[in-house]
Amino acid sequence: QVQLVQSGAEVKKPGSSVKVSCKASGGTFSSYAISWVRQAPGQGLEWMGGIIPIFGTANYAQKFQGRVTITTDESTSTAYMELSSLRSEDTAVYYCARGDQLLKDYFDYWGQGTLVTVSS
Amino acid sequence: QTVVTQEPSLTVSPGGTVTLTCASSTGAVTSGYYPNWFQQKPGQAPRALIYSTSNKHSWTPARFSGSLLGGKAALTLSGVQPEDEAEYYCLLYYGGASWVFGGGTKLTVL
Repeated sequence: QVQLVQSGAEVKKPGSSVKVSCKASGGTFSSYAISWVRQAPGQGLEWMGGIIPIFGTANYAQKFQGRVTITTDESTSTAYMELSSLRSEDTAVYYCARGDQLLKDYFDYWGQGTLVTVSS
Repeated sequence: QTVVTQEPSLTVSPGGTVTLTCASSTGAVTSGYYPNWFQQKPGQAPRALIYSTSNKHSWTPARFSGSLLGGKAALTLSGVQPEDEAEYYCLLYYGGASWVFGGGTKLTVL
């Protein structure tokens, strides 16, 4: 069955960067897009961006443009989300989610989430 | 800035029916927004329920259904069970592989 397994919790200083991984199993990795979604404590879900493997391109929500980079490593079926210039408001649980090949139809499987805490 | 609006909270009795809606600040929601719906329980990752307005995933219980209603996307739960108490989020597509979540609806089964 399909599984998305994310890396463990991180504690970061303001101004630093964090890179979260999402390893997929049980499917053909390159046939699906991967999105990253975050959820601040007590708040709702926020789509950050996604990567479309057949184009090799990533799309980002305007709010995160210039601060987030989403990449994939097909050799290990792993997607990565790197967020830079961290501030306290970036403290959140970060999820990866699998989507259709063109990232315009559905999301199905989700990772377990990675808590990123930004604190001095 | 695009805003997707959901009811902040709804209450339903066990066995009852409830409809959650999802509106876009850009105008009427159509099938071209590919509405998706997710359920999230405390401490858990979201679980996908509905995609492309009304399509169910293989694991989606039959009591959940999606539709378009009065210019909004809608999620209807029929024969509500106690375990349906959760937060529900809609997600709309705005072109160029760009998506926006609604603020979520907290559903209480009482």
